[in-house]
Amino acid sequence: AQRVTQPEKLLSVFKGAPVELKCNYSYSGSPELFWYVQYSRQRLQLLLRHISRESIKGFTADLNKGETSFHLKKPFAQEEDSAMYYCALGLSGSARQLTFGSGTQLTVLP
Amino acid sequence: EAGVTQSPTHLIKTRGQQATLRCSPISGHTSVYWYQQALGLGLQFLLWYDEGEERNRGNFPPRFSGRQFPNYSSELNVNALELEDSALYLCASSATGGATEAFFGQGTRLTVV
Repeated sequence: AQRVTQPEKLLSVFKGAPVELKCNYSYSGSPELFWYVQYSRQRLQLLLRHISRESIKGFTADLNKGETSFHLKKPFAQEEDSAMYYCALGLSGSARQLTFGSGTQLTVLP
Repeated sequence: EAGVTQSPTHLIKTRGQQATLRCSPISGHTSVYWYQQALGLGLQFLLWYDEGEERNRGNFPPRFSGRQFPNYSSELNVNALELEDSALYLCASSATGGATEAFFGQGTRLTVV
């Protein structure tokens, strides 16, 4: 069965510091990985997906199939990055049915 | 463009009762997904409807059921409510044909007392 693990429930960094939110997955098929973000009092929204290989709001994530990881990184954190971040796995053939990790609450301190 | 809308925002029910939650997808989206976000358990996949048919369900008992209407809106029904059904229920919609982004609603907070 598929699984997504986010080992850190809480993560605090200072403004301007690099940030890395960890995500590991287990899935025997061909995965599609996503990062979703939920800002305070807002709905869950897509931040980025691995197939796009894009940078959104300064965040990047690289799929490492060897390590089965999809860590989210940003070189210089901003206070507005404070939010709940969820890593999600889409199954091949039904990528929009997602298996979510438990989430990491990121706090960027001034 | 209106996003995914869910109603009601909050719902309080007594144990043993039935709850009905509603979701209107983004116009043009034919797939609707339901997720449960219970405290300490994270987001768990419940049900997937596409073109009026149930395509898949997560590891939930049969008292969790739903349907999708011809206009692609959806209902989630929870029968014989238990205290542990208290959670935020999120609906998401997506287009078919290769789109990989699911758009989420604000959720319905169900409290079972």
